[in-house]
Amino acid sequence: GIQVEQSPPDLILQEGANSTLRCNFSDSVNNLQWFHQNPWGQLINLFYIPSGTKQNGRLSATTVATERYSLLYISSSQTTDSGVYFCAPSPFGNEKLTFGTGTRLTIIP
Amino acid sequence: DAGITQSPRHKVTETGTPVTLRCHQTENHRYMYWYRQDPGHGLRLIHYSYGVKDTDKGEVSDGYSVSRSKTEDFLLTLESATSSQTSVYFCAIRGTGSTDTQYFGPGTRLTVL
Repeated sequence: GIQVEQSPPDLILQEGANSTLRCNFSDSVNNLQWFHQNPWGQLINLFYIPSGTKQNGRLSATTVATERYSLLYISSSQTTDSGVYFCAPSPFGNEKLTFGTGTRLTIIP
Repeated sequence: DAGITQSPRHKVTETGTPVTLRCHQTENHRYMYWYRQDPGHGLRLIHYSYGVKDTDKGEVSDGYSVSRSKTEDFLLTLESATSSQTSVYFCAIRGTGSTDTQYFGPGTRLTVL
């Protein structure tokens, strides 16, 4: 099956800093989603982004499908951004998402 | 909020006992999924459903069965729970429209002693 690698595994930043999270995947995909799991365990969908760039407030995501990677940008970090960020692609012809092991982001006030 | 609830939210049981977890949705979504989350593994798909009585296996289906007798409910059953099934279980639905966005329920923490 598709292999998903996220980096870095852990990231600690001061409030106000910017960050870039990376997701590499091994196959061509027709679906890629980014999720945030907050410290209480709730999973929130951030982006559906199989290709191109999207922005939502301080967050943006870019997927370069031909090079098999996706990036999640967080600008002006806030403590509420803390948690684990998961990337989950699915290859063509497969309806199932495969989750990476996540990047744990800690924002320090 | 995609109208997804899970029950129970927490459960402690003993090895060898049967356990059923329930996922309920209120918005008539066709696709529903069960995942488990363990440290170091992210989320792994157990089973999914693409309609009433239509289900398929995921990556880690051994020891689990599912049923979907009506659109709004997707049940996950551990026939004989083992300690390796201690985990947090999440249900998800696939939204309608032009994307395949998944939305998750609040999770069920299961401990098998």
